[in-house]
Amino acid sequence: EAEVAQSPRYKITEKSQAVAFWCDPISGHATLYWYRQILGQGPELLVQFQDESVVDDSQLPKDRFSAERLKGVDSTLKIQPAELGDSAMYLCASTPTPVGVYAEAFFGQGTRLTVV
Amino acid sequence: DAKTTQPPSMDCAEGRAANLPCNHSTISGNEYVYWYRQIHSQGPQYIIHGLKNNETNEMASLIITEDRKSSTLILPHATLRDTAVYYCIVRSYGQNFVFGPGTRLSVLP
Repeated sequence: EAEVAQSPRYKITEKSQAVAFWCDPISGHATLYWYRQILGQGPELLVQFQDESVVDDSQLPKDRFSAERLKGVDSTLKIQPAELGDSAMYLCASTPTPVGVYAEAFFGQGTRLTVV
Repeated sequence: DAKTTQPPSMDCAEGRAANLPCNHSTISGNEYVYWYRQIHSQGPQYIIHGLKNNETNEMASLIITEDRKSSTLILPHATLRDTAVYYCIVRSYGQNFVFGPGTRLSVLP
């Protein structure tokens, strides 16, 4: 069964350092999402891509966060510099839109970031 | 903001049906209802989705009221492995999936 792959699974970094997360969506999935989930809360969208284009990054803290999906396949989310409040689970998801207009999103296992 | 309201927590006895309610009184005609669950430290797992007809798959059943203002996710024979946070999401085409705090279901032995 196809899966959304994320790496690393866990990351510990010191504040003010740079950190990056990688996501490989299910093959052929045009839409890719990055979510952040703080402990005890539901996931919150950071950025949404349609192929290589950003569709929605209104909730992305652009002073320190950046995201790219250069060839419309895999994606990287970067934080520089990391702050203590960035400690969270970072989740990647994909959907096969535009084929399957109301198709479900498939989530990866996430990257658990701890900033110390 | 999430367009749904769910109870924060529920308990269910193992082997019994778990009925998880969701209120979405402001749902519009082109919005689907999706259910996901999240087991501790894992990514959300898709369960089921529907527009207005009841839906059933190998995991669960989704019952949507005729006015579509609420729905119920039914796990017919809950097991300990069904202990998780369950999220009800209302979404239309092209939108992202907006998660609320969900319902923490505890299946008790």
